[in-house]
Amino acid sequence: LAKTTQPISMDSYEGQEVNITCSHNNIATNDYITWYQQFPSQGPRFIIQGYKTKVTNEVASLFIPADRKSSTLSLPRVSLSDTAVYYCLVGKNMYSGGGADGLTFGKGTHLIIQP
Amino acid sequence: DADVTQTPRNRITKTGKRIMLECSQTKGHDRMYWYRQDPGLGLRLIYYSFDVKDINKGEISDGYSVSRQAQAKFSLSLESAIPNQTALYFCATSDSGDRGYEKLFFGSGTQLSVL
Repeated sequence: LAKTTQPISMDSYEGQEVNITCSHNNIATNDYITWYQQFPSQGPRFIIQGYKTKVTNEVASLFIPADRKSSTLSLPRVSLSDTAVYYCLVGKNMYSGGGADGLTFGKGTHLIIQP
Repeated sequence: DADVTQTPRNRITKTGKRIMLECSQTKGHDRMYWYRQDPGLGLRLIYYSFDVKDINKGEISDGYSVSRQAQAKFSLSLESAIPNQTALYFCATSDSGDRGYEKLFFGSGTQLSVL
């Protein structure tokens, strides 16, 4: 699976839009991208997932350029409760030839939102 | 996620003891995972299972073993616990959805301390 690289930490303020970028230079054709959020002492929680272009749901947007070597998680108008660690994962499509492998996490990005 | 239950929530044990962490799920998912998290670090994959007859080693399987007793149950054992196995352990299940993109659902975690 493609290795992912994210900033270790980021700071922002309430009401701002926050963009966290993940690099995955070795992403393969059948790979997809998923972002998770984790609060202290809790298990990670799914945020958003995509393969290319733009995906939007009720909490975030995911931007994936044409070459798919990076992806950007966009959180609109953050609040203090968005302070958490955010992980970018690359996974192999389960229906692709050869099946999928176990999903691995990197160290994530610690996002701190200030008043 | 309440559909993924880990027991116990906390455990203190002594070096050399055998210990089992249990995970059960009511989601009906075939895939189950065990991860370990150390303070300030991301999650590391210990073992994963794609169905009852399939067990795979992850990044850090040494010192651990697993048992998939049924689709709903996946147990992690430490045959002879050592202090550097002190960590927060998470169980997860996954759903592939229609497109083959896995989405992980995590339990609340088990905090293990080995003295």
